Amino acid sequence: NAGVTQNPKFQVLKTGQSMTLQCAQDMNHNSMYWYRQDPGMGLRLIYYSASEGTTDKGEVPNGYNVSRLNKREFSLRLESAAPSQTSVYFCASDRFTEAFFGQGTRLTVV
Amino acid sequence: KQEVTQIPAALSVPEGENLVLNCSFTDSAIYNLQWFRQDPGKGLTSLLLIQSSQREQTSGRLNASLDKSSGRSTLYIAASQPGDSATYLCAVRHGYFGNEKLTFGTGTRLTIIP
Repeated sequence: NAGVTQNPKFQVLKTGQSMTLQCAQDMNHNSMYWYRQDPGMGLRLIYYSASEGTTDKGEVPNGYNVSRLNKREFSLRLESAAPSQTSVYFCASDRFTEAFFGQGTRLTVV
Repeated sequence: KQEVTQIPAALSVPEGENLVLNCSFTDSAIYNLQWFRQDPGKGLTSLLLIQSSQREQTSGRLNASLDKSSGRSTLYIAASQPGDSATYLCAVRHGYFGNEKLTFGTGTRLTIIP
């Protein structure tokens, strides 16, 4: 049982490059989330999707886009990466109860 | 806007002591509260989940309580061990039905001194 799987685990981008962070869950969960974690800031919600076909902005959505491709997959896209987007990104999923997290993507923008 | 606070930000205690971590939230309209553990460079591991109708949950040496009306939760760790050293985060699930989200506190970094 894989749970929540994120890819890639590590990535280095140059300023202005684009990339997509992938997330998939195999628990038949309705809700999926993308967070970023920065030192001293805790986890901040970027976007979330309460069900297939819906997405909503979280606390820090600027510079990001998301796609809920199907019930299993929720991707996060950086169209033009900036150094301020250097962070650890976590994907999570839940279904009215317990949330489960992926292992994270460590992104560095130089 | 829901805000979650965890105090203290860091805590060091000798091995074997019992300890309490605190979590407070500003809006009592929550569905549940979840405590997580995060080891350095790792993801989040769920420790305990308390539904809004519950007062406490226990798992081994861990006991979490919830006082929804006052916007507070505590995580009690009994007989602490060096392996308990980690950052502990609480998160509340809130929002309107069908559009819930999780909001996190900034965490308490716990160090158990052998």
